[in-house]
Amino acid sequence: NAGVTQTPKFRILKIGQSMTLQCAQDMNHNYMYWYRQDPGMGLKLIYYSVGAGITDKGEVPNGYNVSRSTTEDFPLRLELAAPSQTSVYFCASSYSSEQYFGPGTRLTVT
Amino acid sequence: TQLLEQSPQFLSIQEGENLTVYCNSSSVFSSLQWYRQEPGEGPVLLVTVVTGGEVKKLKRLTFQFGDARKDSSLHITAAQPGDTGLYLCAGDRDTGNQFYFGTGTSLTVIP
Repeated sequence: NAGVTQTPKFRILKIGQSMTLQCAQDMNHNYMYWYRQDPGMGLKLIYYSVGAGITDKGEVPNGYNVSRSTTEDFPLRLELAAPSQTSVYFCASSYSSEQYFGPGTRLTVT
Repeated sequence: TQLLEQSPQFLSIQEGENLTVYCNSSSVFSSLQWYRQEPGEGPVLLVTVVTGGEVKKLKRLTFQFGDARKDSSLHITAAQPGDTGLYLCAGDRDTGNQFYFGTGTSLTVIP
């Protein structure tokens, strides 16, 4: 069991570039989440999904998009990167109230 | 606005001391979780509390959920250097949907 995996681990983007952060889980969890973590700010929910084909906005969705074509995968897309999107991004999955997190992607936009 | 407020934000103590971290809100939660996060890693779940007034113990860690399900506390007895990390509380108001995280408490235990 790999749990929740995320790629890449680090990435530097120029302003205006786009990229996709990958997230996969092998626990057959229906629920999946994307968070961003800024220093001293805890985790903020970007998007979440309650099952394949269903996604919904969290607290801070602007500038991001997601899709959930399978139970296992939940990619996060940044279309036009901005410096405000510099952060550490965590993907998580759950089957109830207990979330399992991936190792994170550290993204810098310059 | 932050739905869950944690205090203190930073805590530095000597090995062997006791400490308490608080997680407060004006909202009611269906359940509340505590996580520990180490640098460069994702948060790891410590405990989930679901019943108002519930107390759970995990070795030297004691977790309590407030009677009104709006707040929680984490008490560590005889802290060890291995307890060092960022402690996060998180609550859900509708099970399985959105989770709200606190601002975190950064704990350093000095040997």
